[in-house]
Amino acid sequence: GAGVSQSPSNKVTEKGKDVELRCDPISGHTALYWYRQSLGQGLEFLIYFQGNSAPDKSGLPSDRFSAERTGGSVSTLTIQRTQQEDSAVYLCASSISRGGTDTQYFGPGTRLTVL
Amino acid sequence: AQSVTQLGSHVSVSEGALVLLRCNYSSSVPPYLFWYVQYPNQGLQLLLKYTSAATLVKGINGFEAEFKKSETSFHLTKPSAHMSDAAEYFCAVSARYGGSQGNLIFGKGTKLSVKP
Repeated sequence: GAGVSQSPSNKVTEKGKDVELRCDPISGHTALYWYRQSLGQGLEFLIYFQGNSAPDKSGLPSDRFSAERTGGSVSTLTIQRTQQEDSAVYLCASSISRGGTDTQYFGPGTRLTVL
Repeated sequence: AQSVTQLGSHVSVSEGALVLLRCNYSSSVPPYLFWYVQYPNQGLQLLLKYTSAATLVKGINGFEAEFKKSETSFHLTKPSAHMSDAAEYFCAVSARYGGSQGNLIFGKGTKLSVKP
């Protein structure tokens, strides 16, 4: 079946602009995660969604970052007033549920470059 | 707080040689442990995971890892390296319980090179 998809695959933007990154999880997966992969910080957890519950936003680095998940499926990560330090690969993952043993399946990522 | 340390940001082996990638974790209670592989320009793929059944875990592509509580380690091994194993490998931990259950905390990664 189809895996996790993300769009766009690459995004180049100017400092101060807003960007939206999209994630389509595997059908039927209730848990959805966003991670960021950067040279300086490695792989970091950003935010988590489980069904219709309130998201776990504990990993968001600043209030410029926000995310939503519509209809329990597609998720959008929005970065406002982008800064150069936001340049990174943003990875989305989904799993059947939030159980710690459930395998997270990762998408190919969106590479964000802020000029 | 949980953390993961991967010793060696870059490991180079010859084709056919043993692969050993080191991972140590820090956690107040034994966590769940994972190894993921990332090929260039691709997402992460799960190699194997420890969820408190057998301490020796076998994964895909001939990899295995052993959970050693006394050493707080979860090293990844493969008896014989293949050229296709060249990639970056990430060790990760997640909490069994609590509000952060499921959130993966990753090590910095180890880039494996395989020489012909």
